[in-house]
Amino acid sequence: DAGVTQSPTHLIKTRGQQVTLRCSPKSGHDTVSWYQQALGQGPQFIFQYYEEEERQRGNFPDRFSGHQFPNYSSELNVNALLLGDSALYLCASSSGRSNSPLHFGNGTRLTVT
Amino acid sequence: QKEVEQDPGPLSVPEGAIVSLNCTYSNSAFQYFMWYRQYSRKGPELLMYTYSSGNKEDGRFTAQVDKSSKYISLFIRDSQPSDSATYLCAMRAYTNAGKSTFGDGTTLTVKP
Repeated sequence: DAGVTQSPTHLIKTRGQQVTLRCSPKSGHDTVSWYQQALGQGPQFIFQYYEEEERQRGNFPDRFSGHQFPNYSSELNVNALLLGDSALYLCASSSGRSNSPLHFGNGTRLTVT
Repeated sequence: QKEVEQDPGPLSVPEGAIVSLNCTYSNSAFQYFMWYRQYSRKGPELLMYTYSSGNKEDGRFTAQVDKSSKYISLFIRDSQPSDSATYLCAMRAYTNAGKSTFGDGTTLTVKP
C-alpha cells in the first residue's frame, strides 16, 4: 500500500524564481493538504484540495498556489521566491468522506539562496 | 499567543524510562487530537488519533485528552533509543477536516 510520495526531495532555487512541488496521495485518499515546516517549528497549513478545488487556505500569500488533478495528485507552486520561503514542504493526504487523520509524505526541502 | 503550545524540551531520558509529552490549547472548537513522531529529514508519522476525552492506549503509547482543561498528553512506557525523535501534537475542529494546527514539537533523546 503506497504511502504519500513527494518529489523532488531537495531543491535549491534563487530569489525571484518559481518552483513546483509534486505529491501523490496515499492509496484510497482523495484529499491533499500542503504544509510548510520551518526549522524548529511545527507544520503550518497552506491549503487543502478536494475534488480538484481549493477548499481551505491558511495565512499564506497568493504567491502560493496549487492544483489537484483527476487522479488526486497535487502540485504546489510558489512564485517570486523569497529567502523566507526556505523550509520543508509537506504534503498530507486524507479521505474527504471521513474524519480521517492526515498521513504525511517525507517532504521537499526547499532552499532559496 | 499560539493556539497550541507544546512543552519545548529538549528531553533526555535513560532507556526504559516513562516519558510524558504535553500540549495545551486555547481553541475550544478543537475536537480531534493527534500525536505525530518525526525523525530527522522525514515527514511526520501518525502515532495516535483520538476524539473524546480520556485515555487511548496502543502498545507502549497512551494518549490522554482532557477537554475541560484543554490539555493533552502522550505517555511512552519502556522508552527505547529508537523512540528518539521530535514529537508533534496536532489538533483540528470537526468542520476543518484538512486544517490541523500543530505544536512546535518536543525533541526526545533516549539514551542506551
